[in-house]
Amino acid sequence: DTGVSQDPRHKITKRGQNVTFRCDPISEHNRLYWYRQTLGQGPEFLTYFQNEAQLEKSRLLSDRFSAERPKGSFSTLEIQRTEQGDSAMYLCASSPPQGLSDGANVLTFGAGSRLTVL
Amino acid sequence: QKEVEQDPGPLSVPEGAIVSLNCTYSNSAFQYFMWYRQYSRKGPELLMYTYSSGNKEDGRFTAQVDKSSKYISLFIRDSQPSDSATYLCAMSESGGFKTIFGAGTRLFVKA
Repeated sequence: DTGVSQDPRHKITKRGQNVTFRCDPISEHNRLYWYRQTLGQGPEFLTYFQNEAQLEKSRLLSDRFSAERPKGSFSTLEIQRTEQGDSAMYLCASSPPQGLSDGANVLTFGAGSRLTVL
Repeated sequence: QKEVEQDPGPLSVPEGAIVSLNCTYSNSAFQYFMWYRQYSRKGPELLMYTYSSGNKEDGRFTAQVDKSSKYISLFIRDSQPSDSATYLCAMSESGGFKTIFGAGTRLFVKA
């Protein structure tokens, strides 16, 4: 297993277009997260999956955003009608079931998908 | 007010210096305190984490947590140019799945 994979690494699109990002987590990890990171800021939580169930969505995730994890393996994040404010790095992370032995929920991140909306 | 506050820097130090990075937080329910390192155009990677209060050492890195002051620190001894990166503090509640990150501090170690 090579870690968390994200595709594409960089996407340039025009305002109003739809974009989709894919994340392949570490295979033993049933927890999957999407974060958004803008320049000079830390990652901001967007949504969380446990297996195929989406258990929480941030207020940051407007109705133009939708995330899926259909079979509890890979996940997709779609942004419809993109706006310039959507330009950011979209990070996917995964963590093992029930965390580490001491309960810590340690995230393993992918390299991110950078979105530029013109 | 953000749940986690972190000075974005940048912080520039000479090679071999001791570096001190800090975060404050407001949520007293946080129990796990993590430090991630992020190189340019890469995803964050975990450096170390601490449960509740106390110190933890890993090589040149030492993490400290003072829950009474809601203050955490990361110390880097004998800093190297390869330590140049953004350091993100992060926290979560016991049994929680959501990790809250600070803004990150950009560190430059000059050879």
